[in-house]
Amino acid sequence: AQSVTQPDIHITVSEGASLELRCNYSYGATPYLFWYVQSPGQGLQLLLKYFSGDTLVQGIKGFEAEFKRSQSSFNLRKPSVHWSDAAEYFCAVNDYKLSFGAGTTVTVRA
Amino acid sequence: KAGVTQTPRYLIKTRGQQVTLSCSPISGHRSVSWYQQTPGQGLQFLFEYFSETQRNKGNFPGRFSGRQFSNSRSEMNVSTLELGDSALYLCASRLPGQANTGELFFGEGSRLTVL
Repeated sequence: AQSVTQPDIHITVSEGASLELRCNYSYGATPYLFWYVQSPGQGLQLLLKYFSGDTLVQGIKGFEAEFKRSQSSFNLRKPSVHWSDAAEYFCAVNDYKLSFGAGTTVTVRA
Repeated sequence: KAGVTQTPRYLIKTRGQQVTLSCSPISGHRSVSWYQQTPGQGLQFLFEYFSETQRNKGNFPGRFSGRQFSNSRSEMNVSTLELGDSALYLCASRLPGQANTGELFFGEGSRLTVL
């Protein structure tokens, strides 16, 4: 069955610093991959998605992600984080349903 | 355009009771999915409904059930509540014809506490 793994449970980053969140997938064919963000007390919001084509995808809020088939990875990046980026981030793979990773909590320090 | 609306947002029940949660999808979205979110198990798929039919089901006991109405609104029901059912229940909708590629739009969830 398809699955995703997020190795980092919690990341702390300084405001203005760069951020990279890791995601590894397990899927036989080309996966449909997503990154969602969840702010405290909120639902999930889609940041970006990858289906095929260009391996570097741009999303909302200044986020981007790179699909690397050779490494089975789909890491999320942001060049300069803002305090409002503090949230929980989920990587997901879609077959007939979304299978989510365990999530990475991002703390932004001033 | 209104987003996915879930009611109630918060509720407290006791063991053995049952609960019904409601979800109104975005207008025009005919697919509704339900997810359970807990600290221990994370986000887990419960079921998906499309045109009043359950299309897919996750690995949950029969105490968890759902339905969808002709206006695409959906309800899920949990009977004989257990402490472990305490969770945030998220509803999501998407446009038809985008089963794998379509973005899921999530509501803010219904937070159920079972005492």
